[in-house]
Amino acid sequence: AQTVTQSQPEMSVQEAETVTLSCTYDTSENNYYLFWYKQPPSRQMILVIRQEAYKQQNATENRFSVNFQKAAKSFSLKISDSQLGDTAMYFCAFIRNDYKLSFGAGTTVTVRA
Amino acid sequence: DAGITQSPRHKVTETGTPVTLRCHQTENHRYMYWYRQDPGHGLRLIHYSYGVKDTDKGEVSDGYSVSRSKTEDFLLTLESATSSQTSVYFCAISEGDADSPLHFGNGTRLTVT
Repeated sequence: AQTVTQSQPEMSVQEAETVTLSCTYDTSENNYYLFWYKQPPSRQMILVIRQEAYKQQNATENRFSVNFQKAAKSFSLKISDSQLGDTAMYFCAFIRNDYKLSFGAGTTVTVRA
Repeated sequence: DAGITQSPRHKVTETGTPVTLRCHQTENHRYMYWYRQDPGHGLRLIHYSYGVKDTDKGEVSDGYSVSRSKTEDFLLTLESATSSQTSVYFCAISEGDADSPLHFGNGTRLTVT
């Protein structure tokens, strides 16, 4: 069963603007970790950001930040000041205590010049 | 970048033939994973290993087997390839801590005709 849901198959954003990708997940565990991965056309999987469930503070990495709502089981990614190099597919992922990483179906982001 | 090498990079094979994909790591990480990526499904776990000769099934393991005789190598075998196994296959490694992100290889594109 799918435990990670990304409801937006595709999104388009103008260069320098902000885009937010949504992700929801399902778990009964209290402590876990969440990740966003980026996959550019090169096919390489690149870690963008990670969040520990027991930390209330939202993680930030340069232009990338998350909005983690534990009670709602929501983990959205915000890309600020979008750049052409941000064009990629983005995957939300959730790791369980058995060390298996589960992925959402992905959101394709296109940054327009 | 984590030292992960997948081989081959591309392969075309015929239905019914056996196929083996290789993943080699130089990081001495305990955990190794095989995922397949298909449109609309994200990445789905096929098998993973938590040590030499210690493996377990993922969510889409039917038709696949794995072996790990050395820490650095994790082999994925399709005993009798089918067209439904046409996909991009990713190997990943992890130190095994719950907060350790997975590091991915560059993927193998397999086409079964």
